[in-house]
Amino acid sequence: EVHLVESGGGLNQPGRSLRLSCKASGFTFGDYSVNWVRQTPGKGLQWLSFIRNTFYGGTTEYAPSVKGRITISRDDSEGLAYLHINNLKADDTAVYFCVRDRSSNPGNFDYWGQGTLVIVAS
Amino acid sequence: DIQMTQSPSSLSASVGDRVTFTCQASQDINIYLNWLQQKPGKAPKVLIYGASSLETGVPSRFSGRGSGTVFTLTISSLQPEDVATYYCQQYNTLPPTFGPGTKVDLE
Repeated sequence: EVHLVESGGGLNQPGRSLRLSCKASGFTFGDYSVNWVRQTPGKGLQWLSFIRNTFYGGTTEYAPSVKGRITISRDDSEGLAYLHINNLKADDTAVYFCVRDRSSNPGNFDYWGQGTLVIVAS
Repeated sequence: DIQMTQSPSSLSASVGDRVTFTCQASQDINIYLNWLQQKPGKAPKVLIYGASSLETGVPSRFSGRGSGTVFTLTISSLQPEDVATYYCQQYNTLPPTFGPGTKVDLE
């Protein structure tokens, strides 16, 4: 059974950095691309980033609104995907989801993790 | 970015009712549309991909139609476990974007 488990959320101060992790199990992680999506009550669901599988070179895509401030990466040997966020802002307060993708371009989602809550406040 | 709109924003229906809601894209997205279901406190779950393909394990009472800019999701016979918010999401053009959702509850 496919499982994606996010971790790394919690209370963080503005201006700090944060790394979220997504642990995959139940499938061959290296065969799939991965997205990060966040959700807030006010702005709804927002796609953030995407990393292709090794066959497609592990190349990345970013939402323009966060490009330059976030970095996605993966470790296929450990079945892990990461999202690094720099210079945290109050607007980054959200539930962050790791989402498996069926294809080599972002958004063709299938499995979602349960999410990890990030709160940015002083 | 492609804007996704959904109507209605909420609806109440009875068990056994046929319910349909609509999603509209601000530009042509072909059939590159997902329908997601999110129950309170849970992660979204894909019900329909490619506008009309039923995800494995999803009950056949769910069906999707449409192409281009207008799409529908129909629940043929509403069940208590279908109480949730339903989102459409396009993946034709970067960045993928989501509608604001339709909240479904029971009368």
